[in-house]
Amino acid sequence: KAGVTQTPRYLIKTRGQQVTLSCSPISGHRSVSWYQQTPGQGLQFLFEYFSETQRNKGNFPGRFSGRQFSNSRSEMNVSTLELGDSALYLCASSFSIRQTSSYNEQFFGPGTRLTVL
Amino acid sequence: AQSVTQLGSHVSVSEGALVLLRCNYSSSVPPYLFWYVQYPNQGLQLLLKYTSAATLVKGINGFEAEFKKSETSFHLTKPSAHMSDAAEYFCAVSVSGSSASKIIFGSGTRLSIRP
Repeated sequence: KAGVTQTPRYLIKTRGQQVTLSCSPISGHRSVSWYQQTPGQGLQFLFEYFSETQRNKGNFPGRFSGRQFSNSRSEMNVSTLELGDSALYLCASSFSIRQTSSYNEQFFGPGTRLTVL
Repeated sequence: AQSVTQLGSHVSVSEGALVLLRCNYSSSVPPYLFWYVQYPNQGLQLLLKYTSAATLVKGINGFEAEFKKSETSFHLTKPSAHMSDAAEYFCAVSVSGSSASKIIFGSGTRLSIRP
């Protein structure tokens, strides 16, 4: 079974631009979560989507948004990029039987490294 | 609120020596606890997880961790370090019974192995 894939793997943008990152979950997984990883703040939860609906949200400004498609693929968008948005963005998928369920193991993709100049 | 604290941002051991990475958690309800490993330029890989079954959990690559409720700890150990164990390790917590897709990670411990 193929793992979680993220595209692109590397991205360079300038301040003020916007960016869209893509995540394809493991086949059959309906939940996709996004995390931001920086040296200063560590791993921080951005949001989670399940069946095309945002189920959980972390403490990030509205410039960070996401969506999920009917095939469970997910995109994350960051508008008006700032230097501090430079980070590794990780996507994780899990198999959830119902919308609110007990823990299901999360499988992580390799990440997209975003550099903002 | 749930949280985890990893003691020591960097641990260095000799090849063949015991590896001990410390993690303490805070949770008002029985937690799910995890250890993940991250190699350079890669995502996170689950090493092991505690989900209220056996308190001693065995994971991949010879790692294990023991859940100690009285000490609120979930330390990661490996009897004999190998050069390939050099990586960053993250302890994480989630709470049973909730929508547990939100995992809270510790700050990470970088493990170095001396030849």
